[in-house]
Amino acid sequence: AQSVSQHNHHVILSEAASLELGCNYSYGGTVNLFWYVQYPGQHLQLLLKYFSGDPLVKGIKGFEAEFIKSKFSFNLRKPSVQWSDTAEYFCAVNLNTGGFKTIFGAGTRLFVKA
Amino acid sequence: NAGVTQTPKFRILKIGQSMTLQCTQDMNHNYMYWYRQDPGMGLKLIYYSVGAGITDKGEVPNGYNVSRSTTEDFPLRLELAAPSQTSVYFCASTRGEAGYTFGSGTRLTVV
Repeated sequence: AQSVSQHNHHVILSEAASLELGCNYSYGGTVNLFWYVQYPGQHLQLLLKYFSGDPLVKGIKGFEAEFIKSKFSFNLRKPSVQWSDTAEYFCAVNLNTGGFKTIFGAGTRLFVKA
Repeated sequence: NAGVTQTPKFRILKIGQSMTLQCTQDMNHNYMYWYRQDPGMGLKLIYYSVGAGITDKGEVPNGYNVSRSTTEDFPLRLELAAPSQTSVYFCASTRGEAGYTFGSGTRLTVV
């Protein structure tokens, strides 16, 4: 069965530290890849997405992610985090089949200390 | 442009009661979804729809039912509520591969 694994469940960083959240998926076919963010008490919002082309994609608020096909990975990065980045981050894979169903990872809770 | 609207935001049910979670989108999206979110588990797909009149089961459909009589509306019905259905429920929609637009969620507690 297809699955999405996020390496860290909880991450604590100080402001200005660099962030990298790991994500691996298991599916051999064509996929679309996403990172969603959920701020405390809010719904999920799309952070960035990869469909094809340049494997390094840039999203909102200075986030970027790199797709490495050979490693089935789609890691999220940010050079310098801010207190306002405190949130839960979800990696997701859309199987690009009928229905555009999306499989989500378990999420990584990021806490940024001011 | 309201996007995806879910009601109610909060609800407490007693075991065995039934209720309908409402979801409406005004973006003319064909694809709609219901997920439940449990702590540390991510989101699990309950049901989805590819268009009016067409629905299909997701990963965790037991105890739920859906209908899609119009493009805009995709209600989720809970029959005979159980404590295991305590969760946060999110409705989402998309036009296709662009990513989902989520509603603000319904926090349901079954006691």
